[in-house]
Amino acid sequence: QKEVEQNSGPLSVPEGAIASLNCTYSDRGSQSFFWYRQYSGKSPELIMSIYSNGDKEDGRFTAQLNKASQYVSLLIRDSQPSDSATYLCAVNESGGYQKVTFGTGTKLQVIP
Amino acid sequence: NAGVTQTPKFQVLKTGQSMTLQCAQDMNHNSMYWYRQDPGMGLRLIYYSASEGTTDKGEVPNGYNVSRLNKREFSLRLESAAPSQTSVYFCASRRQGAVNTEAFFGQGTRLTVV
Repeated sequence: QKEVEQNSGPLSVPEGAIASLNCTYSDRGSQSFFWYRQYSGKSPELIMSIYSNGDKEDGRFTAQLNKASQYVSLLIRDSQPSDSATYLCAVNESGGYQKVTFGTGTKLQVIP
Repeated sequence: NAGVTQTPKFQVLKTGQSMTLQCAQDMNHNSMYWYRQDPGMGLRLIYYSASEGTTDKGEVPNGYNVSRLNKREFSLRLESAAPSQTSVYFCASRRQGAVNTEAFFGQGTRLTVV
């Protein structure tokens, strides 16, 4: 079973700080990585996707990928209380399949 | 544009009853998925369908069956519900061929088996 690991948290940060969320994966051949945000009682929604080593920035969000270390992270700058949610890391498995595996999620709490 | 639509939104079943969860997408996506989400367990893949006419088992397929009725619809059936199947079920769809594309989720079905 290919695995995606996340710290379940909660991760608490003060408003305005940088939140750093981390994810490791076991499938060395994976090419596509996704970060979803899920508010309580709601369905997941995409925040970022990344598939090349390095950083990808979109507004206050930066995704970082290191395939050699099998590590992907999400940085949220200037954290807001509205960012309080569970963040799910997802990995598209290798082998030509359309199978997407999710981590258990990290709960983020932004303290006003 | 409705995206991914799941029915019903809530359901209570008695142990041993059967039911089918319906999912339809209007984005012309080839790939569709069923996940269940339990507290502390994240999203676990039950079954997926890479294209119309094909289905494959995911991580937790036992106790479930699926049907890819056509390109739009992918249903999940519980033949004999058990309390362990109490969960929130999400259907998702995705464009096939480009593995970098995101999955779009339905609003979820909260199922309680008593």
